Amino acid sequence: AQSVTQLGSHVSVSEGALVLLRCNYSSSVPPYLFWYVQYPNQGLQLLLKYTSAATLVKGINGFEAEFKKSETSFHLTKPSAHMSDAAEYFCAVIPSGYSTLTFGKGTMLLVSP
Amino acid sequence: DAGITQSPRHKVTETGTPVTLRCHQTENHRYMYWYRQDPGHGLRLIHYSYGVKDTDKGEVSDGYSVSRSKTEDFLLTLESATSSQTSVYFCAISASGKGSEAFFGQGTRLTVV
Repeated sequence: AQSVTQLGSHVSVSEGALVLLRCNYSSSVPPYLFWYVQYPNQGLQLLLKYTSAATLVKGINGFEAEFKKSETSFHLTKPSAHMSDAAEYFCAVIPSGYSTLTFGKGTMLLVSP
Repeated sequence: DAGITQSPRHKVTETGTPVTLRCHQTENHRYMYWYRQDPGHGLRLIHYSYGVKDTDKGEVSDGYSVSRSKTEDFLLTLESATSSQTSVYFCAISASGKGSEAFFGQGTRLTVV
């Protein structure tokens, strides 16, 4: 079965620092990949998605992610963290030929002043 | 925001009682999903639907049933609620399933006492 691994349940950064959230997937065939963000007591909001058109994907709020097939990774980055980025981030995958999302366990991003 | 409404938003129920959660969409999307979110587990798929009266099981379907008699409505029923079903439940919709992003509702917080 397809799986998604997010390294680190919590990541802490200072405001203005680089944000790096890690995601690895297990698949021999590149799947569709997504990053979602969840603010407290809200639903999930799509940040960006990879669908094989380009390996570097730009999303909302200054986030981007790079698909690396050789590393089976899809890490999320943002050059400069803002206090408003504090939230939980989920990596998710739809395996090729399937129609359901499988989620990682999430990474809580904490941003300190 | 995608037109997805979940009801109720909060519910407390007793062990052994049946419970039905409703998801209503105004986007005319083909696919609808029910996920549950628990700390440390991320989001796990319960059931999904790929059309009216077409449903399939997800990763954690035991103790749950679903129905979809209209494109816009997807019901999740807990036949006999147990404390292990205390969770936050999210409905999601997707236009085509394969590769297309899912949009999420605001969630229903269910407590079984």
